Amino acid sequence: GAVVSQHPSRVICKSGTSVKIECRSLDFQATTMFWYRQFPKQSLMLMATSNEGSKATYEQGVEKDKFLINHASLTLSTLTVTSAHPEDSSFYICSARSGGINEQFFGPGTRLTVL
Amino acid sequence: GESVGLHLPTLSVQEGDNSIINCAYSNSASDYFIWYKQESGKGPQFIIDIRSNMDKRQGQRVTVLLNKTVKHLSLQIAATQPGDSAVYFCAENRGNTGKLIFGQGTTLQVKP
Repeated sequence: GAVVSQHPSRVICKSGTSVKIECRSLDFQATTMFWYRQFPKQSLMLMATSNEGSKATYEQGVEKDKFLINHASLTLSTLTVTSAHPEDSSFYICSARSGGINEQFFGPGTRLTVL
Repeated sequence: GESVGLHLPTLSVQEGDNSIINCAYSNSASDYFIWYKQESGKGPQFIIDIRSNMDKRQGQRVTVLLNKTVKHLSLQIAATQPGDSAVYFCAENRGNTGKLIFGQGTTLQVKP
């Protein structure tokens, strides 16, 4: 099946710093990638939809200037959490899909801890 | 607001028994539904999906039932095993945006 990777799997940073998370589709071209955030014991909440070569579409309540998304190629999307604060600590998960196929393939997630 | 929700937060079953996890959705325009399994510290894993033009779909040990009349989705796991212990989410796909709306999740605990 299609494989999606994320890097890093875990990151700890100081408050005020920026953190970049990578999402890669390893064996298919991802025309669309999605970024989710998941707090402990909660469900996945969609943050933004990213189409290759265009600006990301953010969900209501998600600050686009704080969560910078870049989808520069068909196999890579990045999420940068700028000026991170402890409340940004969460599990960030990406997913990718190809063309008109409904199925999304999920990455393993990145655990962000902001001290 | 519109949402996809689950009736029970935790389900505890004996190994070997069948499990049934339920989900309610509110958007009648949704045309594709997916069940995911998520183990601790990992991303969601696809289990089975169903399109709105179907009411039942079977996989290996799993069956998904869709009742569009009452906007209800269920996941049945036959002969539940300890390895099935995880959190299960239903997700709803709305139109051609590809966006998935996730339910709150049900924790399945399998007792040996």
